[in-house]
Amino acid sequence: IAGITQAPTSQILAAGRRMTLRCTQDMRHNAMYWYRQDLGLGLRLIHYSNTAGTTGKGEVPDGYSVSRANTDDFPLTLASAVPSQTSVYFCASSVSGSTDTQYFGPGTRLTVL
Amino acid sequence: GQNIDQPTEMTATEGAIVQINCTYQTSGFNGLFWYQQHAGEAPTFLSYNVLDGLEEKGRFSSFLSRSKGYSYLLLKELQMKDSASYLCAVMDSNYQLIWGAGTKLIIKP
Repeated sequence: IAGITQAPTSQILAAGRRMTLRCTQDMRHNAMYWYRQDLGLGLRLIHYSNTAGTTGKGEVPDGYSVSRANTDDFPLTLASAVPSQTSVYFCASSVSGSTDTQYFGPGTRLTVL
Repeated sequence: GQNIDQPTEMTATEGAIVQINCTYQTSGFNGLFWYQQHAGEAPTFLSYNVLDGLEEKGRFSSFLSRSKGYSYLLLKELQMKDSASYLCAVMDSNYQLIWGAGTKLIIKP
């Protein structure tokens, strides 16, 4: 079944640890995105990639890094986790990085203690 | 700054009609999206408006007025499964989506 998968589903992490959230899509979409969703706030863009080999910073990029080695995968890395990074993280993809509809993965619930 | 405003919560009765409003101020405009998000799940696409007017899709309709910076999502013949959060998002001049905090819709029998 075509779509976006994310792993892990949830994770509890000690502050200071490194963590990579995985995202894979099989729709051959060119553009991919990482958002965080916090209670009472709208989704906020962390990083995006309009095509394999390129990445860009969103609204809240500090403390996060991404890579886009191929079309399908877009991992998000927290180099040294802090409690303020406790959130639900959604990966999304779209055909291109313009006005195309974004389709979301199921999310990763991350708790940093 | 960029801002998307929508009510935090609304309550409606099964079988009725509800209108969820969204006002926006953004740097540029490349369209407005509505998404539905059930608790604990991912957002799913409902509608996209880039021109003024009403777009109808089954029980759901979405309206846009660019001059007023205003949109609404109209849900007819409400069903219990429509209980969810409804997210308004505007695509800005950089083709990035700016999201509202969402409207939690509670449907009562």
